[in-house]
Amino acid sequence: GNSVTQMEGPVTLSEEAFLTINCTYTATGYPSLFWYVQYPGEGLQLLLKATKADDKGSNKGFEATYRKETTSFHLEKGSVQVSDSAVYFCALGSGNTGKLIFGQGTTLQVKP
Amino acid sequence: DTEVTQTPKHLVMGMTNKKSLKCEQHMGHRAMYWYKQKAKKPPELMFVYSYEKLSINESVPSRFSPECPNSSLLNLHLHALQPEDSALYLCASSLEAPGTHYRSPLHFGNGTRLTVT
Repeated sequence: GNSVTQMEGPVTLSEEAFLTINCTYTATGYPSLFWYVQYPGEGLQLLLKATKADDKGSNKGFEATYRKETTSFHLEKGSVQVSDSAVYFCALGSGNTGKLIFGQGTTLQVKP
Repeated sequence: DTEVTQTPKHLVMGMTNKKSLKCEQHMGHRAMYWYKQKAKKPPELMFVYSYEKLSINESVPSRFSPECPNSSLLNLHLHALQPEDSALYLCASSLEAPGTHYRSPLHFGNGTRLTVT
């Protein structure tokens, strides 16, 4: 079946450090891939998405590239800020099931 | 500011109470969702409405009863809940209903924090 695996957190970084959060997936067909972010006390917000292989999603300095050959969608940011502290969820949207499959989430804490 | 509005923000209810959660969106989205989220876990899908009809029920206990009065509103009626039902309940909507291609991202509300005593 479809599944998403994210690196376990928490991830603790200093401000201006480089961020990578790994995400790999298993799916049949051609899923769409998403990164969502959840700030404390809030719902989830779409951060970026990619709908086909080799697409690069980007937003607010974050990037992720849909790699079909490695079944990955790793999230990167060149210089994190304290305000990026949140929980990040990788998700797979499959038309086969009509459902959005979430990874377990990775907590990011950025220290000044 | 979120474009999906959920009320109330917080709710405390006893196991014999009946209450309702409300969700509203005015983006013209054709699908609406209820998710349940426990602390430090990803959201778990409960129900999906496509074009105001229930299309997915993830085997949710009958003490949770969804209702979609129109394309902009989604309710979740609660009755005889258990303490383990305490969680953050998230409503979401998407432009397109899930189908052959799942490209429309979900727009989430900020949730209702439910505590069952």
